[in-house]
Amino acid sequence: LAKTTQPISMDSYEGQEVNITCSHNNIATNDYITWYQQFPSQGPRFIIQGYKTKVTNEVASLFIPADRKSSTLSLPRVSLSDTAVYYCLVGVPNYGGSQGNLIFGKGTKLSVKP
Amino acid sequence: NAGVTQTPKFRVLKTGQSMTLLCAQDMNHEYMYWYRQDPGMGLRLIHYSVGEGTTAKGEVPDGYNVSRLKKQNFLLGLESAAPSQTSVYFCASSYSLDLGETQYFGPGTRLLVL
Repeated sequence: LAKTTQPISMDSYEGQEVNITCSHNNIATNDYITWYQQFPSQGPRFIIQGYKTKVTNEVASLFIPADRKSSTLSLPRVSLSDTAVYYCLVGVPNYGGSQGNLIFGKGTKLSVKP
Repeated sequence: NAGVTQTPKFRVLKTGQSMTLLCAQDMNHEYMYWYRQDPGMGLRLIHYSVGEGTTAKGEVPDGYNVSRLKKQNFLLGLESAAPSQTSVYFCASSYSLDLGETQYFGPGTRLLVL
């Protein structure tokens, strides 16, 4: 299973762009990178998923360099409501015995201040 | 459409007691999962199911059993509760684990074992 490493915590201010980097040095060829967001007292919710280069949706962007050994979740102009824990998962999306995309790790606790 | 629901929301057990946590989803999802979340540990996969009548072990299966007798329900059982099983339990479901498919999480069950 590809192991991921993220910062334990990050602080930001409202209106700033926040970039959270996840390291996954032993990512496999077929692995995808998925990010989830978890608010206090709630279950996680899917944010974005990608394989290489850049993926963008209405919530965030995901940047993946050519070697795919890391990825960066970018949150544009954060607000107080973006305060949450963000998890990076690496694994094969479709079930085939690999549980990589089901391993959440400890995540990054983002605190957005006014 | 209630999504994923969990019963009960909170429970206190004495060491050695047994209980069953119920997870129900109304999205006709094939896949269902049980996670536990402990402070500073992120989410850890206990068991999961890829269809009615099938279950598989996750990262931390010891001390738990599961059953998926109906597609919409996934039960998590503790036969003899231990203080180490004090945690918040999250259930999730997904249509599949294919690219772009997301897991939908329930609100969680807080379990305290004395």
